[in-house]
Amino acid sequence: SQTIHQWPATLVQPVGSPLSLECTVEGTSNPNLYWYRQAAGRGLQLLFYSVGIGQISSEVPQNLSASRPQDRQFILSSKKLLLSDSGFYLCAWSHIRTSGVTDTQYFGPGTRLTVL
Amino acid sequence: TQLLEQSPQFLSIQEGENLTVYCNSSSVFSSLQWYRQEPGEGPVLLVTVVTGGEVKKLKRLTFQFGDARKDSSLHITAAQPGDTGLYLCAGDNRGSTLGRLYFGRGTQLTVWP
Repeated sequence: SQTIHQWPATLVQPVGSPLSLECTVEGTSNPNLYWYRQAAGRGLQLLFYSVGIGQISSEVPQNLSASRPQDRQFILSSKKLLLSDSGFYLCAWSHIRTSGVTDTQYFGPGTRLTVL
Repeated sequence: TQLLEQSPQFLSIQEGENLTVYCNSSSVFSSLQWYRQEPGEGPVLLVTVVTGGEVKKLKRLTFQFGDARKDSSLHITAAQPGDTGLYLCAGDNRGSTLGRLYFGRGTQLTVWP
């Protein structure tokens, strides 16, 4: 069966410090990968998505970046955190889209980031 | 601009009551999904509706996809405290080759014993 891991689970960082959040998927190959941010238990804002190694698309301009160094590894980074970067970060994966298939996204447990 | 509008944003009810949550859009979706999220966890898929007018039941939960595939509703009968959570609808737009889902802002449901 497939599983998705995120770490760390919680993180408290000062403003201006760097960030690295990691997401790994097991039990599937060549998944689509996504990073979302959720503020205060509300809806999900898509930040980045990837359809393959080294292929990253950004949805929202910001001081965050993402990388996919391996097929099942997705990393969210920042060189200098802002207060507004605080939130709940969720990684998700889905199967590659094929004709006639409705995609389901499978979410990781999330990382709670607090920037002080 | 929010592609999917959910209402109400917050709902607080007593155990045993019925409720309906709505998910509306001006866009047509090839399918629509409902997720439930508990505090500190990632969302978990409840159901996917694909055909206009489709109705799916999951125990006390009834999901309906609008005939025009622009809206959906979630009805819970005899709500229980275990139903408490954030309910998110998400639309699948096949105009994109990615498999991108558009999420609503969610309805926070609290069921009191």
